[in-house]
Amino acid sequence: KNEVEQSPQNLTAQEGEFITINCSYSVGISALHWLQQHPGGGIVSLFMLSSGKKKHGRLIATINIQEKHSSLHITASHPRDSAVYICAVNTGNQFYFGTGTSLTVIP
Amino acid sequence: GAVVSQHPSWVICKSGTSVKIECRSLDFQATTMFWYRQFPKQSLMLMATSNEGSKATYEQGVEKDKFLINHASLTLSTLTVTSAHPEDSSFYICSATGHYEQYFGPGTRLTVT
Repeated sequence: KNEVEQSPQNLTAQEGEFITINCSYSVGISALHWLQQHPGGGIVSLFMLSSGKKKHGRLIATINIQEKHSSLHITASHPRDSAVYICAVNTGNQFYFGTGTSLTVIP
Repeated sequence: GAVVSQHPSWVICKSGTSVKIECRSLDFQATTMFWYRQFPKQSLMLMATSNEGSKATYEQGVEKDKFLINHASLTLSTLTVTSAHPEDSSFYICSATGHYEQYFGPGTRLTVT
């Protein structure tokens, strides 16, 4: 069993739709990261969370420590949001990565 | 905001040669840097944790004599892939801890022919 599970694995949405990507983990963590990886491979760190909720532009990330679950929401999705979104958790000693959610936003 | 750079962004080398990849924190001091590799269509895999001034800690299954990591200063860590083989072809990414956050470099695509 993977320490970090993401769903869905693949997601196709129409431009403007509200998108949710989920991440569940099974280990104790000091922080959870949401990463965005574009087709060229470059990675951008979107959020680092240890509790509650963070918002940046059209992106919102929430975490429930008790339920060991985090969600990444994208409001008013746009084709430029097409990328792979990766959930990663830091236990303090080690990073564990989800397998990623491939998002395609169609104009 | 904090930025981590990697150099080169892509490299092609012949089997048997060595390749050095640099990871720099541009506007902060990073006592800890991490190196990852990513195979096509797979997630990131942590290779090693690099602490400034000390030996790197390698994850199980990662050959420390093949993947040499040097963290000589608070802003620079290097990964050297020695005696590269085609199976070492991968995307190598570093990250650095700064300002209580983790910042990722843009990655280096290595192709070994």
